[in-house]
Amino acid sequence: NAGVTQTPKFRILKIGQSMTLQCTQDMNHNYMYWYRQDPGMGLKLIYYSVGAGITDKGEVPNGYNVSRSTTEDFPLRLELAAPSQTSVYFCASSYSPGGSGANVLTFGAGSRLTVL
Amino acid sequence: GDSVTQMEGPVTLSEEAFLTINCTYTATGYPSLFWYVQYPGEGLQLLLKATKADDKGSNKGFEATYRKETTSFHLEKGSVQVSDSAVYFCALISSGGSEKLVFGKGTKLTVNP
Repeated sequence: NAGVTQTPKFRILKIGQSMTLQCTQDMNHNYMYWYRQDPGMGLKLIYYSVGAGITDKGEVPNGYNVSRSTTEDFPLRLELAAPSQTSVYFCASSYSPGGSGANVLTFGAGSRLTVL
Repeated sequence: GDSVTQMEGPVTLSEEAFLTINCTYTATGYPSLFWYVQYPGEGLQLLLKATKADDKGSNKGFEATYRKETTSFHLEKGSVQVSDSAVYFCALISSGGSEKLVFGKGTKLTVNP
């Protein structure tokens, strides 16, 4: 019963490098989300997806890209890492929109990214 | 747009003290309201929720009542424990088909023995 799995847990990047944060869920959820969490700032939505093949921008999409080729996977790509992207990234999924109704939002354990 | 405002932290309490964390919201229509909790080193998990006015969500001794007249969803617990130390997030999702959960900034709670 894995839920939402994120990898890696920690990563240090140099400015200008690129990387992909992986997110996989095994609950057959249609809705998936990427958030970033900065100290004292709560969670900001980066991108979300309402199903395979469909993605949309959230509040802070600049500098990131996503794809959703399968129901299970929702990777987040950073193309040219910048210090402003130093943050903790959380992937989440739900059966219903935003975890409303009877089905809640399930979060991964997070990926801590540092850009130097 | 939709927004959530939480009381600023951090909050430090002694064990068995009474806890209140204030949360107010701005949203169109009739949003659903949530409290999520994040224990150290972990992702967020749902603590409780309420989907319509006057509903009371409760879990693990925590309660929150959906007050439409004051647009509030304050979190309360009568007697906190050291194990309640965590960051608490108030959140909402608008009615009308929005897929996006909007979070407050979070309130860090530390409970001392």
